[in-house]
Amino acid sequence: EAQVTQNPRYLITVTGKKLTVTCSQNMNHEYMSWYRQDPGLGLRQIYYSMNVEVTDKGDVPEGYKVSRKEKRNFPLILESPSPNQTSLYFCASSLGTGVYEQYFGPGTRLTVT
Amino acid sequence: GESVGLHLPTLSVQEGDNSIINCAYSNSASDYFIWYKQESGKGPQFIIDIRSNMDKRQGQRVTVLLNKTVKHLSLQIAATQPGDSAVYFCAENFPEGGTSYGKLTFGQGTILTVHP
Repeated sequence: EAQVTQNPRYLITVTGKKLTVTCSQNMNHEYMSWYRQDPGLGLRQIYYSMNVEVTDKGDVPEGYKVSRKEKRNFPLILESPSPNQTSLYFCASSLGTGVYEQYFGPGTRLTVT
Repeated sequence: GESVGLHLPTLSVQEGDNSIINCAYSNSASDYFIWYKQESGKGPQFIIDIRSNMDKRQGQRVTVLLNKTVKHLSLQIAATQPGDSAVYFCAENFPEGGTSYGKLTFGQGTILTVHP
């Protein structure tokens, strides 16, 4: 089944403890992206990757890192999480070299205390 | 992108009615627009897209209209069904450097409720 998977789906952590949210797609998609969704603020793009080893900042990249060492994986790294990073995170991918018809993962609910 | 208020606009319709969801986008230079549907507890799902060189595009039961003069986008859903109940987001892409289609800015969303 073609899909985007994220792990973990739920995570509660403490301020300053490094964490990684994994994202993997099995559709051989070129483009991948991370978004966060907050009540009243909607979806905001964190980082995106047009291809392997190519990453760029979205609208809210501060406090996040990403890497794209292989086509199928695009992990989101929070080196020192803070409570303002408590959010619902979505990974997405698309076949083309851009935001066209993105497929979204199921989301990761992160709480930083 | 446009700032988003705390309270999402809502649209309530009866099953079988046509629905129109509106969106004002922020950047006059944006040239690609997408509508997404998000059901409770799920990730957004692509519905339909349109480029700025078009003013209308039709899909299955959905039509997107683009008015670049007033920076307005609308999604029309024909014969709305209870399964259409969801939050609907518009999104715009401004091609950075004239060629990069990597960035996407979402609108605030509209809650559509369809009553049987």
